[in-house]
Amino acid sequence: GENVGLHLPTLSVQEGDNSIINCAYSNSASDYFIWYKQESGKGPQFIIDIRSNMDKRQGQRVTVLLNKTVKHLSLQIAATQPGDSAVYFCAETGYGNKLVFGAGTILRVKS
Amino acid sequence: DAEITQSPRHKITETGRQVTLACHQTWNHNNMFWYRQDLGHGLRLIHYSYGVQDTNKGEVSDGYSVSRSNTEDLPLTLESAASSQTSVYFCASSARDRGPDTQYFGPGTRLTVL
Repeated sequence: GENVGLHLPTLSVQEGDNSIINCAYSNSASDYFIWYKQESGKGPQFIIDIRSNMDKRQGQRVTVLLNKTVKHLSLQIAATQPGDSAVYFCAETGYGNKLVFGAGTILRVKS
Repeated sequence: DAEITQSPRHKITETGRQVTLACHQTWNHNNMFWYRQDLGHGLRLIHYSYGVQDTNKGEVSDGYSVSRSNTEDLPLTLESAASSQTSVYFCASSARDRGPDTQYFGPGTRLTVL
C-alpha cells in the first residue's frame, strides 16, 4: 500500500454530508493504527488512532472502525467541512513503532 | 508549546554535493524518524533512532546517514546527492520507547537535486 500520487483515489462529498474513507492494511501483527490528514505543503497531522483490542473509537466529528478479520480500517467524518479537504493516510505499526503508510485518499469537499 | 521543526524548508543542490537536513523536537521524545514522500511511493522510512547514540536503517536508507548526539536533534545527511533523492523529507518523533505510538511530523523539507 505505498502507491500514492498521480492515481490517488479521490472522494468528493458535498459540504455537510458524511465522508467514509477506507484503508486495507497488510500486517496482521500490527497492533496500532493511525489516521493522518495531510494538507498541501504540510506534514501529516494526527487525526485519530485505535489499538487492535478495539473495534471503534470516536473523536470530535471523526470515528475510526477497525475490522481485524479482513484487515480493514475506515475513517468516518461527520458533517464534512471545506477545511476537511486534504489527503488522508492510514498507517499501521507494532513493536518498534515503524509506521507503514497505506495509499492515501484525496478528500474533496464541494460547497 | 512543544514542537518539531525542520530546516531548511526548501533546498536546491547539485549532484554530488553533501547535504544535511535538520530536525529538532522539543517534546523530549526518545524516538525520531526520517521519511521521504514521493509521487507513486507515499511515505517511506529512511532512518530512525530510539535514543541518543542509537540509529537504525529503514526501508530506503541507501545514500543517507543520521546521527543522534542528543535527544532533540536527528540530522539527515545525503553523502553525495543524486537526482533520485529529489523528494520531500519529513521528520517525526514519538514518545513511547519502541512501542507503537503516535508519531508527530514536522513541516517537511523540499529537496531538489539538479
